Amino acid sequence: GAGVSQSPRYKVAKRGQDVALRCDPISGHVSLFWYQQALGQGPEFLTYFQNEAQLDKSGLPSDRFFAERPEGSVSTLKIQRTQQEDSAVYLCASTRARREGNEQYFGPGTRLTVT
Amino acid sequence: GNSVTQMEGPVTLSEEAFLTINCTYTATGYPSLFWYVQYPGEGLQLLLKATKADDKGSNKGFEATYRKETTSFHLEKGSVQVSDSAVYFCALRRNYGGATNKLIFGTGTLLAVQP
Repeated sequence: GAGVSQSPRYKVAKRGQDVALRCDPISGHVSLFWYQQALGQGPEFLTYFQNEAQLDKSGLPSDRFFAERPEGSVSTLKIQRTQQEDSAVYLCASTRARREGNEQYFGPGTRLTVT
Repeated sequence: GNSVTQMEGPVTLSEEAFLTINCTYTATGYPSLFWYVQYPGEGLQLLLKATKADDKGSNKGFEATYRKETTSFHLEKGSVQVSDSAVYFCALRRNYGGATNKLIFGTGTLLAVQP
């Protein structure tokens, strides 16, 4: 169908609350990435899935961050006990396959503000 | 480690001026190099890419050449338009077996083109 979609587009959370951010990749795309983009910075890698397998979570900043993709399609990034430093835009990207040359297609992002 | 450094903005130009946005990288091996663009209110879009030394990526009048000897991938356009106003991100992707195909981004350069 259309491109990568993310919801919600905006989320305001009070410090200490848990949040869940959703990513719907392009249909048929095998690989899915999550990135965090702080204000005025470039996106930074968080985690990577190939189908339902989380193959790389080296970028997750703390154990409060958790991501899943149970059926190899939709993915959810969960942040527990949010802190102010978690305020950022969270970007999701998908690619057709884990193969050199495949373009990553980005969603519009979810802007998280922790107050 | 692997990193991307790009010139700080904002870059302010008059319409039809020549554009250069500098980008240099540090990486092991032979990465692929990318320029992404983020228009106001929109998600990241791939602008152009180059996958090996001396390759030139081009799109929409923009071009960049992969220079291994200077580890650079500078973005150029001969005549900018107001519609080119956006944030431009230089990025690299490592290419070797076992590497997650994550993108490593620079901090972004805001381009403002005035009529």
